[in-house]
Amino acid sequence: DSGVTQTPKHLITATGQRVTLRCSPRSGDLSVYWYQQSLDQGLQFLIQYYNGEERAKGNILERFSAQQFPDLHSELNLSSLELGDSALYFCASSVSPLQDTQYFGPGTRLTVL
Amino acid sequence: AQKITQTQPGMFVQEKEAVTLDCTYDTSDPSYGLFWYKQPSSGEMIFLIYQGSYDQQNATEGRYSLNFQKARKSANLVISASQLGDSAMYFCAMRGTTGGNQFYFGTGTSLTVIP
Repeated sequence: DSGVTQTPKHLITATGQRVTLRCSPRSGDLSVYWYQQSLDQGLQFLIQYYNGEERAKGNILERFSAQQFPDLHSELNLSSLELGDSALYFCASSVSPLQDTQYFGPGTRLTVL
Repeated sequence: AQKITQTQPGMFVQEKEAVTLDCTYDTSDPSYGLFWYKQPSSGEMIFLIYQGSYDQQNATEGRYSLNFQKARKSANLVISASQLGDSAMYFCAMRGTTGGNQFYFGTGTSLTVIP
């Protein structure tokens, strides 16, 4: 158990819908990262937050957004969902925004029908 | 731009034998970190081992060791005394120091341990 929690574990929804994925980092970790793992694109970095502020952005679609709250939990919002958004979404956390190992949560498996 | 390459899509190893999973990388960052993660069929990503670019010695964690050859830009994972529970996908990742702490992942190697 990495100490990073993600809810829900599974999510099934329809195209055009909007969903919110939630992540709680390990105790003491200030930085949160979101990754998408799909069969065709592998593991891709989406976005990073540190202590409530956006720190780095990767291949995140404009339909996706995220935020980190004062209690350090983070939410990833996915809207206007398409079939291709079906993937495993990971949250990871680290103590600081640089020079640290990232510990991954169990992931949320999103299926868009 | 950073790039991680894992050229072995699938590997087989006999139980109790050692196995090496290959990873090469490309970066222009002077300082970087290299990581290996294990992803069993259940899906979670488990951190295994870390090597910093300035570390003089190869990293070891129990049965895992990282064969770091900086000049060749390789960071191979060696698993000694393979166990059935080692069957999983293994991902090599690199952390750059520009643009945040994002990780760049390879495509992974599927390891199957044969009894």
